[in-house]
Amino acid sequence: AQKVTQAQTEISVVEKEDVTLDCVYETRDTTYYLFWYKQPPSGELVFLIRRNSFDEQNEISGRYSWNFQKSTSSFNFTITASQVVDSAVYFCALSEPAYSGAGSYQLTFGKGTKLSVIP
Amino acid sequence: KAGVTQTPRYLIKTRGQQVTLSCSPISGHRSVSWYQQTPGQGLQFLFEYFSETQRNKGNFPGRFSGRQFSNSRSEMNVSTLELGDSALYLCASSLVFIRGQGNSGANVLTFGAGSRLTVL
Repeated sequence: AQKVTQAQTEISVVEKEDVTLDCVYETRDTTYYLFWYKQPPSGELVFLIRRNSFDEQNEISGRYSWNFQKSTSSFNFTITASQVVDSAVYFCALSEPAYSGAGSYQLTFGKGTKLSVIP
Repeated sequence: KAGVTQTPRYLIKTRGQQVTLSCSPISGHRSVSWYQQTPGQGLQFLFEYFSETQRNKGNFPGRFSGRQFSNSRSEMNVSTLELGDSALYLCASSLVFIRGQGNSGANVLTFGAGSRLTVL
């Protein structure tokens, strides 16, 4: 069975601080996908990144960066110089392998981390 | 490009009633999934449809059902509503993997704004 653990339930930081959101996952699959989504107060889940299990390169996108470490089954997300607009609930998710035209794209989500950025 | 559209956005029902929620995916997306979000259980997978066929179903009772139409639009139905069914129901659509293509967008779920159901 797949499982995603986000141990941090809530985090508060002051604007411009850096913050790291932790994600630890469990899966017996050797091929899988990891995701991060953002849910602002409006409720809509917004896709941030997808990473497949073969690609352990870290990724940076503007103020966002992701550290994928297969050895520790972790996929952590760092926001540099946080802003008030970053306030949201962030979800880490895991997907089983998907094959051409078949398979299921079911996501297993963590419980989420609520980030509050204080001005 | 229009996003995933869910209707209605808010609804209130009473115990024992049934409800139907609708989801229009992004044009070209053939996979549609449904998730239930509650404060206690978080985000839980309900089911996923592709080409009008249910490919996978989460651990929910038979009162929860869904279908997908030939234009990829999807509906989910909850019968005999219970108080515990109060939740945000999220629909998501996705491209599917196609052999020989880049597939950079495949299995990336794009979510709608959700339908918030309150059961009294």
